[in-house]
Amino acid sequence: QSALTQPASVSGSPGQSITISCTGTSSDVGGYNHVAWYQQHPGKAPKLMIYEVSDRPSGVSNRFSGSKSGNTASLIISGLQVEDEADYYCSSYATITTPAFVFGAGTKVTVL
Amino acid sequence: QLVESGGGLVQPGGSLKLSCAASGFSFSNFWMTWARQAPGQGLEWVANINGDGSKIFYVDAVKGRFTISRDNAKSSLYLQMSSLRAEDTAVYYCARDNGHFSADFWGQGTRVTVSS
Repeated sequence: QSALTQPASVSGSPGQSITISCTGTSSDVGGYNHVAWYQQHPGKAPKLMIYEVSDRPSGVSNRFSGSKSGNTASLIISGLQVEDEADYYCSSYATITTPAFVFGAGTKVTVL
Repeated sequence: QLVESGGGLVQPGGSLKLSCAASGFSFSNFWMTWARQAPGQGLEWVANINGDGSKIFYVDAVKGRFTISRDNAKSSLYLQMSSLRAEDTAVYYCARDNGHFSADFWGQGTRVTVSS
């Protein structure tokens, strides 16, 4: 199962909006609306931020939103805050030979 | 809450069994997942198992070497790892599937180091 493609890093100033892309194939991102996004601070466990492309779990700020077009999903963080500095991973359900999940390599978000 | 245990240092070719103790939710009602993160690397899904243990899936890299299982009476998830390789070195997380193809609760992880 191949990893999804994410930019290595994205940066922005406090208050700005940033977008992280996640590109896959028709066997994963493009074929299903089962894309999720996770936030991970150094030394911590991942935290679910978005599921099913654009749904937010209870307790997650509405500054985080998700979308998808074709084989590319996106995480948008609006009103960037210092505490948003972290690694972000996308994941997708995938079917190649058997059902599976694939992750992106991660994007480091830096708040300038 | 999810609490992993069982990690440690093991020689190449060796075996190790990880455990994950769950509490605070009806364990048997949820798919559960093992994922891992190699040092300085990204996340990798390893395996998952449905509520009654009848459906199991693995990433290709561990098929035939790792076995995921669960004991609903003990609210525990397991990962039996054998024929371990250096590339299996990682922090291993157990996580609860939220029914929407994603994991909404994660443990803090247990570190596995495969080295001679």
